[in-house]
Amino acid sequence: GESVGLHLPTLSVQEGDNSIINCAYSNSASDYFIWYKQESGKGPQFIIDIRSNMDKRQGQRVTVLLNKTVKHLSLQIAATQPGDSAVYFCAESSYGQNFVFGPGTRLSVLP
Amino acid sequence: NAGVTQTPKFRVLKTGQSMTLLCAQDMNHEYMYWYRQDPGMGLRLIHYSVGEGTTAKGEVPDGYNVSRLKKQNFLLGLESAAPSQTSVYFCASSYLGGGSYEQFFGPGTRLTVL
Repeated sequence: GESVGLHLPTLSVQEGDNSIINCAYSNSASDYFIWYKQESGKGPQFIIDIRSNMDKRQGQRVTVLLNKTVKHLSLQIAATQPGDSAVYFCAESSYGQNFVFGPGTRLSVLP
Repeated sequence: NAGVTQTPKFRVLKTGQSMTLLCAQDMNHEYMYWYRQDPGMGLRLIHYSVGEGTTAKGEVPDGYNVSRLKKQNFLLGLESAAPSQTSVYFCASSYLGGGSYEQFFGPGTRLTVL
């Protein structure tokens, strides 16, 4: 499949450890944020979202933290598994319309 | 449900040729989007639509046109292809529900312009 993100920053973690992927966003008016996972040759897959009136949201094994003061978003993955290996993108938006994606981070899970 | 489908999956064009990429969704979503993705970069929004008969420009609209004549379809046109338009194109759709704009993506179209 298509090779995505040939020169992306890479985060390597041991299987079972927690992963933290960071993202800086640009528009202080953005009110909605999403994290996506993209495997090679596939379209992005929704992981979790958060609105600007929240600072934390939890899903299954994932937590998103939002710091509006410094325009920073992070994705925490608990007990990282080999199936979590992929490229992860954050995206910001106003009212779900004009989405702007970050450059992505490649997560590599080591056995 | 098929979700979001894209036609074609692969295409090779010569500079100056035209083509249309078709995106179809069967989830009755209001919003639809076209993105391009180049190696080493995230997705960049080309155009989007918030409903049938409406379209709007995204981050990189130049060289592309779109139409949303039916709610379930969103077409992306290249009138005169250029090598800089070599990319993987993704379509997505989303609904408005409970404050979420979760986007569902198609499998992508790999376009090469020679």
